[in-house]
Amino acid sequence: DTAVSQTPKYLVTQMGNDKSIKCEQNLGHDTMYWYKQDSKKFLKIMFSYNNKELIINETVPNRFSPKSPDKAHLNLHINSLELGDSAVYFCASSQVLMNTEAFFGQGTRLTVV
Amino acid sequence: RKEVEQDPGPFNVPEGATVAFNCTYSNSASQSFFWYRQDCRKEPKLLMSVYSSGNEDGRFTAQLNRASQYISLLIRDSKLSDSATYLCVVNKAGTALIFGKGTTLSVSS
Repeated sequence: DTAVSQTPKYLVTQMGNDKSIKCEQNLGHDTMYWYKQDSKKFLKIMFSYNNKELIINETVPNRFSPKSPDKAHLNLHINSLELGDSAVYFCASSQVLMNTEAFFGQGTRLTVV
Repeated sequence: RKEVEQDPGPFNVPEGATVAFNCTYSNSASQSFFWYRQDCRKEPKLLMSVYSSGNEDGRFTAQLNRASQYISLLIRDSKLSDSATYLCVVNKAGTALIFGKGTTLSVSS
């Protein structure tokens, strides 16, 4: 069974569209994250949720809105997509807030055309 | 100064070589330290945690120098399967993992 799963794996969309990426973890972890990996391969934290509550929001444009319906799910909705949003988005989870190993999903490769 | 800095490489080494990666971090309040490995077009995975006393896992040895804010990873007897990007990672309590840009290793036969 996949520990952290995110869908879709690939997403190609036009500028201006709205899209969502879903993430689920079956590890029983309390904390979930969204990371963005840009074309230069730099992996940067976007959001962190602990028990459905937003803990970290790293100066991400408000076009990005995470939603956590329960502690096993953390979805990412993006409004008015821009070319610069093209990247790989990774969901991750950890038992507690980042003092332990983080498990990553396979990533969603978003291409905005 | 970037929070976590690594030499991006690439490091190109023959099988059997010993290779060392270095990393420095800027936040002296950092508490936890890790090396992650990322294969091409895959997600990052934990390679090993790094402790002040130094720790070893098979062919891999990690060292931490808190005074110098310096972390290292030594790979002995390199295998073809070690080819990947190695990410230096730090955090302090209450924050997320901060990743370096990674060091690319290519092991050839």
